[in-house]
Amino acid sequence: GQSLEQPSEVTAVEGAIVQINCTYQTSGFYGLSWYQQHDGGAPTFLSYNALDGLEETGRFSSFLSRSDSYGYLLLQELQMKDSASYFCAVVTGGGNKLTFGTGTQLKVEL
Amino acid sequence: KAGVTQTPRYLIKTRGQQVTLSCSPISGHRSVSWYQQTPGQGLQFLFEYFSETQRNKGNFPGRFSGRQFSNSRSEMNVSTLELGDSALYLCASSLVDNTEAFFGQGTRLTVV
Repeated sequence: GQSLEQPSEVTAVEGAIVQINCTYQTSGFYGLSWYQQHDGGAPTFLSYNALDGLEETGRFSSFLSRSDSYGYLLLQELQMKDSASYFCAVVTGGGNKLTFGTGTQLKVEL
Repeated sequence: KAGVTQTPRYLIKTRGQQVTLSCSPISGHRSVSWYQQTPGQGLQFLFEYFSETQRNKGNFPGRFSGRQFSNSRSEMNVSTLELGDSALYLCASSLVDNTEAFFGQGTRLTVV
């Protein structure tokens, strides 16, 4: 089967940097994705890593180490609007299946 | 361009009934996936369709089924509803594979 682990909750102050880790066990690994979901909203795509290394998109960066079955999402210059749940998801099934972690609730405080 | 549209947004059904949910993907997207989201179980994959064919299926009972039409629109059906089926059902579309998926707002199903 597949399993993903990520912290359930992280708290940080506005302007800070926060890292959300994700470890996974799966077969047929294709890549690792990250999604953001605000309360009452739909998940929105943040990033996808197929290869080892760091991908940067604005204030958000995502890292993958395939050999360690590990990835993280790095959020810089935190803003109040970043308060949301963040999900890592492994992509398998030839790229067609997403299996989500249980989500990390990020609280950004003043 | 229009996003993923799910209808209805809210639904209340009685135990034992069946329900059909609809999803219209982003224009040009051929892959449609369905997920169940509950506080206890998180986001769980139901199934994925591409060009009217189911390519992947999650670990849900046979009461959960789906289909995709030639215009890529998709429906999912849940028969013999149980209280535990109460959840937010999310549909996501993508061009070909799910390396970048776009989610609809979901259908909130309540079974009473």
